[in-house]
Amino acid sequence: IVLTQSPGTVSVSPGERATLSCRASQRVSGTHLTWYQQKPGQAPRLLIYSSSTRATGIPYRFSGSGSETDFTLTISRLEPEDSAVYYCQYYGASPEVTFGPGTKVDIK
Amino acid sequence: EVQLVESGGGLVQPGESLRLSCAASGFVISNYWMYWVRQPPGKGLVWVSRSNKDGSSTTHADSVKGRFTMSRDNAKNTVYLQMNSLRVEDTAVYYCGRGGSWGSIDFWGQGSLITVSS
Repeated sequence: IVLTQSPGTVSVSPGERATLSCRASQRVSGTHLTWYQQKPGQAPRLLIYSSSTRATGIPYRFSGSGSETDFTLTISRLEPEDSAVYYCQYYGASPEVTFGPGTKVDIK
Repeated sequence: EVQLVESGGGLVQPGESLRLSCAASGFVISNYWMYWVRQPPGKGLVWVSRSNKDGSSTTHADSVKGRFTMSRDNAKNTVYLQMNSLRVEDTAVYYCGRGGSWGSIDFWGQGSLITVSS
């Protein structure tokens, strides 16, 4: 499984919406599709698991959706602290864990 | 409070060995799968290893298979990554993580930098 994320970088104004894409090279189970946020100098933070379930403490403005090969992370009403790199990840087989290359979200 | 603290990183020469430790607190690792993930400087996340709850099953990425070994000591609430025959391309920040629901990693350590250079 290879995960491709687009765009590579997105620049969005505060209060606007950002839509991040994660595409799998073959059909995958959405149950095992996860999203993380990583800010500079910090460890990744779990945002969304099972494609659409928010992790504990994650604000409602973060939402996930998708199925088969196309998955989306939407950040509605962007806030300055949302500036980060966002990674999708799949748990499956060969390799067992795969990360996408990431999408950088810049706040204008 | 859940915490993962990595230690053991540093500067080594190609071909040398190093062992990373990840001490957990706030939870009992015997109830969780545990992971190692690395991040080369300025690049993305790369999975390295995974251990099941009792350490009877571990898997490794092809890039480290035969050189790296993940293990755990549940009595010490600590996981390890033994790294042998280190290469320049192994240079990265190494994170340990706790396995969460459906193949996710729900808590991450702060990372430990390993630099392999002559």
